[in-house]
Amino acid sequence: AQSVTQLDSQVPVFEEAPVELRCNYSSSVSVYLFWYVQYPNQGLQLLLKYLSGSTLVKGINGFEAEFNKSQTSFHLRKPSVHISDTAEYFCVWTSYDKVIFGPGTSLSVIP
Amino acid sequence: DTEVTQTPKHLVMGMTNKKSLKCEQHMGHRAMYWYKQKAKKPPELMFVYSYEKLSINESVPSRFSPECPNSSLLNLHLHALQPEDSALYLCASSQEHRGQREQYFGPGTRLTVT
Repeated sequence: AQSVTQLDSQVPVFEEAPVELRCNYSSSVSVYLFWYVQYPNQGLQLLLKYLSGSTLVKGINGFEAEFNKSQTSFHLRKPSVHISDTAEYFCVWTSYDKVIFGPGTSLSVIP
Repeated sequence: DTEVTQTPKHLVMGMTNKKSLKCEQHMGHRAMYWYKQKAKKPPELMFVYSYEKLSINESVPSRFSPECPNSSLLNLHLHALQPEDSALYLCASSQEHRGQREQYFGPGTRLTVT
């Protein structure tokens, strides 16, 4: 069965430092990958998506992610985080009719 | 307008009550979803409607009953719930129910069953 792994359940990082949130997926069939962010007590918001084409994907709020087919990874990066980036981040794999969420990574930005 | 709205924001209900959650979108999306999210967990898919027809039911207990009256509205009818059903219920929509379409989420309804 398909699965999505987010290796770090919690990532603390100081303000203005870079951050990488890791995501690995298990299926190579029809790869569509997304990163969503969930701020406290809110719904989810799309950060970025990979459907095909360039393996480096840029999203909102200065985030980017790199699709690596050989390593089945889709890691999320930001060169300099802000306090407002404190949130839960979900990596999501989809196929034609399936949606698989990773367990989530809680990013805490420390002033 | 890229907004999905959900009402109510909060709901407290007893185990014998009947209540409904409502979701609305005006983006012309033809797929709508209900998710259940427990604290510190990812959302779990419950139901998918595609072109106003139920296309996926992830083995959800019958005490949850979805309804899609038209392409903009999605309801979730609740009856005889259990305390373990307390959670955040999220509605989402997408252009179509196809993998490459991103989903737009509402803010959720925080449900407490007493």
